[in-house]
Amino acid sequence: RKEVEQDPGPFNVPEGATVAFNCTYSNSASQSFFWYRQDCRKEPKLLMSVYSSGNEDGRFTAQLNRASQYISLLIRDSKLSDSATYLCVVKGDHTGGFKTIFGAGTRLFVKA
Amino acid sequence: DTGVSQDPRHKITKRGQNVTFRCDPISEHNRLYWYRQTLGQGPEFLTYFQNEAQLEKSRLLSDRFSAERPKGSFSTLEIQRTEQGDSAMYLCASTQGANTGELFFGEGSRLTVL
Repeated sequence: RKEVEQDPGPFNVPEGATVAFNCTYSNSASQSFFWYRQDCRKEPKLLMSVYSSGNEDGRFTAQLNRASQYISLLIRDSKLSDSATYLCVVKGDHTGGFKTIFGAGTRLFVKA
Repeated sequence: DTGVSQDPRHKITKRGQNVTFRCDPISEHNRLYWYRQTLGQGPEFLTYFQNEAQLEKSRLLSDRFSAERPKGSFSTLEIQRTEQGDSAMYLCASTQGANTGELFFGEGSRLTVL
């Protein structure tokens, strides 16, 4: 089983749509959680951290359920510029170390 | 530019040759990570350093791969006796501080093994 698993893509949505990505992780000792965005042929960049209480940044909302080992990302009012690959990221383990694992990514295409 | 820099950006080599990649992290960052990424996949963890100490290495990484960070600043990743399956983008990232710290990536070194 992969340490971080994400929805298989791609997601093709029209502008203005709401889209949700899901992610599960296998290590219950994981400590920190993130969503990164990766544009085609570019390096990954942090989109947002994910907190147990849930957090929102403009049109983006992230949720964490530690009991279910589940992370989600909701994008409202999709823009053409949201087209990218979204990577679920999990950091930390029972040793207290800083190993950081990326999921395979979910590709999003937003069309006019 | 004070971001993470990687060199070379592109490397084409013949099977069986050795290659070395260099990463210069953001200067105040104490942790440095190496990842490998192939088309359609997310970055695959290879190894990471805290200062000069290599704290973890992926079990998937063969003995042909070795990484160093001798002075706790720049790092090198060497691949010996390259195979066609080693063709990938090799990404370096650095970070500082708490477990919640953001990883800052370089633009990567693309390896093609013929």
